[in-house]
Amino acid sequence: DTAVSQTPKYLVTQMGNDKSIKCEQNLGHDTMYWYKQDSKKFLKIMFSYNNKELIINETVPNRFSPKSPDKAHLNLHINSLELGDSAVYFCASSQHGGGNTEAFFGQGTRLTVV
Amino acid sequence: GESVGLHLPTLSVQEGDNSIINCAYSNSASDYFIWYKQESGKGPQFIIDIRSNMDKRQGQRVTVLLNKTVKHLSLQIAATQPGDSAVYFCAEGLTGGGNKLTFGTGTQLKVEL
Repeated sequence: DTAVSQTPKYLVTQMGNDKSIKCEQNLGHDTMYWYKQDSKKFLKIMFSYNNKELIINETVPNRFSPKSPDKAHLNLHINSLELGDSAVYFCASSQHGGGNTEAFFGQGTRLTVV
Repeated sequence: GESVGLHLPTLSVQEGDNSIINCAYSNSASDYFIWYKQESGKGPQFIIDIRSNMDKRQGQRVTVLLNKTVKHLSLQIAATQPGDSAVYFCAEGLTGGGNKLTFGTGTQLKVEL
């Protein structure tokens, strides 16, 4: 059983297209995240949701819209894809509070915009 | 803005030797720190964490040291094995900050046989 699963694993698309990445966690966590990892391996948070409520939005372009239908799912929709959006996108989850610090990451979605 | 870590360096060690991976952080308000391991093609995996009220924490074959005076964090891996080859990231967080993690740029660890 995969704790945090995201689909697809690879996504190749043309500039200007709209695409979605899905994420699901079966850990019962109340907080989910999207991180972006660039070609230099730098990881940066994009969004954080707690119980379906957006709590962190790190100055991400409006073309990126996260959607959380329930606390086990956090999808990422990207409009009008640009070359600079090419990166690996990681979904993660954690249990907020209680002194827990560990975030569990999915396997990543490698997005290539051509 | 705040930043954590250095430019991505590479550390090469012989199998069986001890490895030390270093990280600098700049947000003095951060109250917990985490080391993650990322193998090729996979997501980051939690290794060990430490709270700011501690200066040392040990796990299985790993030790994290925290020096708040100079804002420095290190990960020591004992008896390094080929399976330890990966990119290692330090990350800092602030309780009440939405569990947001700020990651460093990572260190590539290569274990030579």
